[in-house]
Amino acid sequence: QVQLQESGPGLVKPSETLSLTCTVSGGSVSSGTYYWSWIRQPPGKGLEWIGYIYYSGSTNYNPSLKSRVTISVNMSKNQFSLKLSSVTAADTAVYYCARVIVGTAEIDPWGQGTLVTVSS
Amino acid sequence: QSVLTQPPSASGTPGQRVTISCSGSSSNIGSNYLYWYQQLPGTAPKLLIYRNNQRPSGVPDRFSGSKSGTSASLAISGLRSEDEADYYCAAWDDSLSGPVFGGGTKLTVL
Repeated sequence: QVQLQESGPGLVKPSETLSLTCTVSGGSVSSGTYYWSWIRQPPGKGLEWIGYIYYSGSTNYNPSLKSRVTISVNMSKNQFSLKLSSVTAADTAVYYCARVIVGTAEIDPWGQGTLVTVSS
Repeated sequence: QSVLTQPPSASGTPGQRVTISCSGSSSNIGSNYLYWYQQLPGTAPKLLIYRNNQRPSGVPDRFSGSKSGTSASLAISGLRSEDEADYYCAAWDDSLSGPVFGGGTKLTVL
């Protein structure tokens, strides 16, 4: 059974870079069937897709965040990572990593999520 | 502003049937499968319905999904207190080449 687990700082200062890592167990990020994705949810609000990476290294990002987002993959560690630069309070959210079947919105499983607060 | 449109709230009493709607456009719901997610308080979303109307193993048959054109709906029959949660619809969007979500519907069991 595939499981995903987010890790990283829970507090980031404004204008700095948010960095999170997702560790995948029970499956491989080198599978060509899936996109490895980041999704966030501001407190009390809905879900927002951030972007994804394919095993080949190709990426696609939400246009609203594209200028600030980088997603990368580390196959040797079976991990993928998110960097979001120049953060503001509006980036405060629970960040989820998730597996997405290519070309669909079938998102399963999800990580448990990690709250990142942007504050000085 | 979410790409897919859902009502912000819905409610029903135990045993009732409730439906939650989701509308989109030709680039998402109109040309791709529709998915539903259930998010219980304080937890990550969970896949509830996939490919318009399929239930993953373990999801009760009280939950059903349908799609027509650029709209879809989730029906919950025999409403139970444990169904109180937020429900999100999602679909692949061909213009974005990524998944898009509805704004979520908070279901209250009265």
